[in-house]
Amino acid sequence: AQSVTQPDIHITVSEGASLELRCNYSYGATPYLFWYVQSPGQGLQLLLKYFSGDTLVQGIKGFEAEFKRSQSSFNLRKPSVHWSDAAEYFCAVAFSGTYKYIFGTGTRLKVLA
Amino acid sequence: DTGVSQDPRHKITKRGQNVTFRCDPISEHNRLYWYRQTLGQGPEFLTYFQNEAQLEKSRLLSDRFSAERPKGSFSTLEIQRTEQGDSAMYLCASSRGSGTGGNQPQHFGDGTRLSIL
Repeated sequence: AQSVTQPDIHITVSEGASLELRCNYSYGATPYLFWYVQSPGQGLQLLLKYFSGDTLVQGIKGFEAEFKRSQSSFNLRKPSVHWSDAAEYFCAVAFSGTYKYIFGTGTRLKVLA
Repeated sequence: DTGVSQDPRHKITKRGQNVTFRCDPISEHNRLYWYRQTLGQGPEFLTYFQNEAQLEKSRLLSDRFSAERPKGSFSTLEIQRTEQGDSAMYLCASSRGSGTGGNQPQHFGDGTRLSIL
């Protein structure tokens, strides 16, 4: 079955530190890949997407993600975290021929001042 | 681009009552999606419209749930005879697109939080 795994439920980093959030998917073909961020009580905001081409994609708010086909991974990174980055982050995949997204269970990011 | 709008933001109702939520997608988007998100989980797909046609429904969408998009613009999601397990955030999203594939990013509204007493 198609699935998305975000192995870290909670991550705490200090402001200014680097960040990496992990995402793995299970599927034979390369899916379309997305990262979204959700603040409490809000909807999801698209950070970045990967469809094809360059495996390192840049997004908004200084985030980037790297697609690694051999590891079926699409990890999200940020070199220096700001306090306003505290939120929940969701990885999502969509597969060719379908329209629905499959989301991971999310990673809640806490930023220490 | 005014974003995806959902109404109401919060709904509290008693078990057994019917509720209806509305979603207004981004105006030029022809695709519309409904998801449900429970506490501590990622959103789960419920259903999808292309224009006014409902093209896919999840097994999560029981007989008590019905979604419509009569004119290919706004959509409604109705839950009849609500149960405790229906308590969740209901998210609507929209995207451009034609043909097959999920390669158009979905833009989400702020959701409707449903609480069943």
